[in-house]
Amino acid sequence: GAGVSQSPSNKVTEKGKDVELRCDPISGHTALYWYRQRLGQGLEFLIYFQGNSAPDKSGLPSDRFSAERTGESVSTLTIQRTQQEDSAVYLCASGGGTGYEQYFGPGTRLTVT
Amino acid sequence: GNSVTQMEGPVTLSEEAFLTINCTYTATGYPSLFWYVQYPGEGLQLLLKATKADDKGSNKGFEATYRKETTSFHLEKGSVQVSDSAVYFCASSKGQGGKLIFGQGTELSVKP
Repeated sequence: GAGVSQSPSNKVTEKGKDVELRCDPISGHTALYWYRQRLGQGLEFLIYFQGNSAPDKSGLPSDRFSAERTGESVSTLTIQRTQQEDSAVYLCASGGGTGYEQYFGPGTRLTVT
Repeated sequence: GNSVTQMEGPVTLSEEAFLTINCTYTATGYPSLFWYVQYPGEGLQLLLKATKADDKGSNKGFEATYRKETTSFHLEKGSVQVSDSAVYFCASSKGQGGKLIFGQGTELSVKP
């Protein structure tokens, strides 16, 4: 079936602008995760949604970052007043069922100029 | 807090060489352990996993054994191919559905 999809695949924005990144998880997956991969660094956890539970926001780096998820479907990650250090590949993953693994989307490459 | 440490790269090997990429973890309790692979220009893919001590994950000729006594999950392959060139990430998660804690990644380059 279809995997995790993300849009846009690339986004170039000016410093100070707001951006929205979208993630479509695998159908039926109850868990959805956002991670960030900055150049030369490892992957950092940002936020985790599980069903109707309150999201785990412990990885969000500042209050400029927020995310929403409607039910068990699409999620959007919003970055307000972007800074150059926000430049990274933003990865979404979904998981569910009896497995422990997470399935990753192709990512959105964000460049803040 | 929980963390994952893996050997730094880049690692350069000749085709058919033996591969080991070391990975150690710190965690409370018994996390699930994973190796993910990112081929050039592609997204992250799960390579293998182990969910309890002494489990061995295997896929595509790669293996890793969950060693509780040494808190390790080293990745091995007996004979690498050029097509194995990629970045490999070790990761842990606390229980089913937990967020992944990643190591820094190890870049592997296999030469013909």
